Amino acid sequence: DGGITQSPKYLFRKEGQNVTLSCEQNLNHDAMYWYRQDPGQGLRLIYYSQIVNDFQKGDIAEGYSVSREKKESFPLTVTSAQKNPTAFYLCASSQGRDRAGLQHFGDGTRLSIL
Amino acid sequence: QKEVEQNSGPLSVPEGAIASLNCTYSDRGSQSFFWYRQYSGKSPELIMFIYSNGDKEDGRFTAQLNKASQYVSLLIRDSQPSDSATYLCAVFRAGGTSYGKLTFGQGTILTVHP
Repeated sequence: DGGITQSPKYLFRKEGQNVTLSCEQNLNHDAMYWYRQDPGQGLRLIYYSQIVNDFQKGDIAEGYSVSREKKESFPLTVTSAQKNPTAFYLCASSQGRDRAGLQHFGDGTRLSIL
Repeated sequence: QKEVEQNSGPLSVPEGAIASLNCTYSDRGSQSFFWYRQYSGKSPELIMFIYSNGDKEDGRFTAQLNKASQYVSLLIRDSQPSDSATYLCAVFRAGGTSYGKLTFGQGTILTVHP
């Protein structure tokens, strides 16, 4: 079955530590996205990528970094500069720019501070 | 003013009733409109999208769009307890040669009680 796999499901970060969230898709989608969701809030865009080796900042990129070395993979690193990282992180993909509204989501990663 | 606004609810309806979920948006250049359903602790899933003014029906769901009033709604007929979830409105504006922006509202919590 095609889909998006996020891992781990739960992650705990110590102060001063960088952590990396994994996102892999086998839908052959060109575009991939990272969102953050806080309780009672909608989704806020962190980073997005339309093609391999290219990515753009979203609305709340500070304290985060990404890479897109393969079409299937779009990992997100939450750096120590992100002072309030506790949230639900969602990875999504879409076929391309014209279908960017039709996004498929992974199951998410819950990140907490130890 | 938020770009996409929804009444956060909770909206409570009895089983079998019609649930009406509303969303307003501020960008008149918005081109397409999406409703995602998100069960507690889960990721969003797309349930409806609409591009043109008027109504679009899919089973028990009807999406309504009025671009002049910058208003989009979702009606759920014969509501079931399994419809209890958070409903996210998302609005898309294409970006020409670059990625367009998909902006989410904060979501409306719907509770259908037996």
